[in-house]
Amino acid sequence: DTGVSQDPRHKITKRGQNVTFRCDPISEHNRLYWYRQTLGQGPEFLTYFQNEAQLEKSRLLSDRFSAERPKGSFSTLEIQRTEQGDSAMYLCASSFGRERVTYEQYFGPGTRLTVT
Amino acid sequence: QKEVEQDPGPLSVPEGAIVSLNCTYSNSAFQYFMWYRQYSRKGPELLMYTYSSGNKEDGRFTAQVDKSSKYISLFIRDSQPSDSATYLCAMCRSEKLVFGKGTKLTVNP
Repeated sequence: DTGVSQDPRHKITKRGQNVTFRCDPISEHNRLYWYRQTLGQGPEFLTYFQNEAQLEKSRLLSDRFSAERPKGSFSTLEIQRTEQGDSAMYLCASSFGRERVTYEQYFGPGTRLTVT
Repeated sequence: QKEVEQDPGPLSVPEGAIVSLNCTYSNSAFQYFMWYRQYSRKGPELLMYTYSSGNKEDGRFTAQVDKSSKYISLFIRDSQPSDSATYLCAMCRSEKLVFGKGTKLTVNP
């Protein structure tokens, strides 16, 4: 399978715990994006990387959230001190992009987080 | 006013019907327009990608963009029960996608 993969698919955690999600993009894609989707809403942009550089972060990404993409391959999204409001589907997408040109973004299956 | 408006439905049609899904937007900076299909508890699947006004056809799907009216549409011909899903419009601005809420479609056999 050469699509975007995410791990784990489901995560249940208690409030206050830290969680980390992993995303493996399509291999030739240099851009990687994180989105969050709550029930009944479309996905909302969180952050994106071009290669290993994090180029933009949304205001939705509070200080408790951190994302990395070491070596420009897979990415991790960590949430510290989780809150019930963090419960959502976390989606990763990847694309190939050049300066001022954006191509299609392909999404992974998502990680569903439930904070109890 | 939200940047992207999409009627959440739900929309229910009989098998074989032509389905029309629409979105309006307010930001003329949007350059790329996409439609995604999302089955329950799955990630969005890219259906159509366009970057100019006009029509683009792919099998039973036709995407239409009218930049002067800030209006995009997705038409599904000969709809099938397997088309039952939530359809999300998305628009690209500065490398990030801005999504509509999604329209939940049910195609009844």
